[in-house]
Amino acid sequence: NAGVTQTPKFQVLKTGQSMTLQCAQDMNHEYMSWYRQDPGMGLRLIHYSVGAGITDQGEVPNGYNVSRSTTEDFPLRLLSAAPSQTSVYFCASSSTGARGDLRVRQYFGPGTRLTVT
Amino acid sequence: GESVGLHLPTLSVQEGDNSIINCAYSNSASDYFIWYKQESGKGPQFIIDIRSNMDKRQGQRVTVLLNKTVKHLSLQIAATQPGDSAVYFCAENRANSGYALNFGKGTSLLVTP
Repeated sequence: NAGVTQTPKFQVLKTGQSMTLQCAQDMNHEYMSWYRQDPGMGLRLIHYSVGAGITDQGEVPNGYNVSRSTTEDFPLRLLSAAPSQTSVYFCASSSTGARGDLRVRQYFGPGTRLTVT
Repeated sequence: GESVGLHLPTLSVQEGDNSIINCAYSNSASDYFIWYKQESGKGPQFIIDIRSNMDKRQGQRVTVLLNKTVKHLSLQIAATQPGDSAVYFCAENRANSGYALNFGKGTSLLVTP
């Protein structure tokens, strides 16, 4: 299994440009999420999904859109990039169900480092 | 606001010694506490979790202790190795928040020979 994959690894955007960060997982996980990590900070939840067709907002959703048309893929869209969105973005996935220990064992991708100038 | 925090931003230990990384939390509604390890340039990797109804859990070379009285969590790494050098994050999952994890800022562990 490849686990959680993210593309691209690095991206530079100009203010106002749009782009999509790709995330895919091959573990048949229902739960997927996007976090951003800023220097010296922990990870902050942007959006998440508990299954195909279901998405919801996390702690810092402004400026980002998501959709979930398949179990495997969970892309993150930046509609109009701003310098404040310069960050490292991580996608994560985990199993769903009644077992809480499986829920919190989230598998993270390698990250996308985004710079907005 | 921040409800999961770490006592020290950096920790330096000698190879072979035991490491203890501490974390404080403020929310009594937390259901699970989790430790993640993040190596440079990589995504966080799950290490161990503990449910709020437990006070100790052991894994391979790691032990997590939970003190609910003082709302304190610690990760102990036995016989620390150079490969343990990384940033360690504690995170909490609250019973009513579904799958969302609330992360602390992280402690950087440096293992010296």
